[in-house]
Amino acid sequence: AQKVTQAQTEISVVEKEDVTLDCVYETRDTTYYLFWYKQPPSGELVFLIRRNSFDEQNEISGRYSWNFQKSTSSFNFTITASQVVDSAVYFCALSEVGHNAGNMLTFGGGTRLMVKP
Amino acid sequence: EPEVTQTPSHQVTQMGQEVILRCVPISNHLYFYWYRQILGQKVEFLVSFYNNEISEKSEIFDDQFSVERPDGSNFTLKIRSTKLEDSAMYFCASRQGGSTGELFFGEGSRLTVL
Repeated sequence: AQKVTQAQTEISVVEKEDVTLDCVYETRDTTYYLFWYKQPPSGELVFLIRRNSFDEQNEISGRYSWNFQKSTSSFNFTITASQVVDSAVYFCALSEVGHNAGNMLTFGGGTRLMVKP
Repeated sequence: EPEVTQTPSHQVTQMGQEVILRCVPISNHLYFYWYRQILGQKVEFLVSFYNNEISEKSEIFDDQFSVERPDGSNFTLKIRSTKLEDSAMYFCASRQGGSTGELFFGEGSRLTVL
């Protein structure tokens, strides 16, 4: 069975600080996808990134960067120079590939990030 | 930009009542999903739907739940007899085809059971 663990339930930082959100996953599959979603106070789920298990290159998108380490089954997310608008709950998720039509997502418990001015 | 839309945004119901949550997936998508998030908890998979039938469901998705795609555009989740513990945010999602498609989520329907 697949499992996603976000050990940090809540993080509080001051604006402009860098912050890293941890994600550790478990899966028996060799092919899978990892995701990060943002859930602002309004409640919707906003897609941030998808990474497939064959691509271990780190990715940077503006102030966001992701560090995928297959050896430690981790997919950590860093926000550089955090802003108040980054305050949200962030979910890491895993999708195993191979089901005919499934690809259901298993979510971690989420990390609530509070960025104070 | 195409999006998944859900109605109602918030529904309050009495315990034991039937509830139908509606979703309009993105038009060329083939796979449809319902997820649930109890307040303050993680998002949990309920059911996936493809080719007019359920392809996977979780243990949460018991006989009280059903899904339907009645007219080729709507995708509905019905809870037959609501319980207090059904209070949650329900998210609909859809994706195109293949194994790599990204899930697009709707904005959610908040269900409050009194």
